[in-house]
Amino acid sequence: SAVISQKPSRDICQRGTSLTIQCQVDSQVTMMFWYRQQPGQSLTLIATANQGSEATYESGFVIDKFPISRPNLTFSTLTVSNMSPEDSSIYLCSVGQQETQYFGPGTRLLVL
Amino acid sequence: TQLLEQSPQFLSIQEGENLTVYCNSSSVFSSLQWYRQEPGEGPVLLVTVVTGGEVKKLKRLTFQFGDARKDSSLHITAAQPGDTGLYLCAGAKAAGNKLTFGGGTRVLVKP
Repeated sequence: SAVISQKPSRDICQRGTSLTIQCQVDSQVTMMFWYRQQPGQSLTLIATANQGSEATYESGFVIDKFPISRPNLTFSTLTVSNMSPEDSSIYLCSVGQQETQYFGPGTRLLVL
Repeated sequence: TQLLEQSPQFLSIQEGENLTVYCNSSSVFSSLQWYRQEPGEGPVLLVTVVTGGEVKKLKRLTFQFGDARKDSSLHITAAQPGDTGLYLCAGAKAAGNKLTFGGGTRVLVKP
């Protein structure tokens, strides 16, 4: 399985600012995804990060709020823009390999 | 309304007892995955089931995929405190496709 790392592992941010989260994979993968996990909840898909083209966003998530980059097959970033306390969550990237997805360790974000 | 319904939402048992977590849907899935997540970590894959009626065993854990590929169960025999965590089922409509997650089941195994 792929080894996935995320930076930062956690952060505390002020409202109105933006944070960019990085996801690095140790091998080339076609499918990369970004999820949000709000406190005490399950995972919700934000978007599919497409290499060389714009990300595909799920209902309720928009590019202006969550811009995503995917410059190559091993790296992606998710930016949480103009943050509010409601954005406090764990943000997780995952990669798809055949029938399965593997997850990074997550980025814990607290917005004050 | 969640596409995948997990039950129960929370389970507290004594060490040595058995437990079963259910994952149900009205939709057919190409595959279904079970993950366990511990605090401060990302979900860790336990198993992927792809064939209707499939049963997979992982030590004390038994996973079953329904014949119609709409539901699944996770059974833990003789639970241990190390089994404590959030158990998540997730279904994919096609290989390599995005996952839909169930609401999760928090399991607490008390020594």
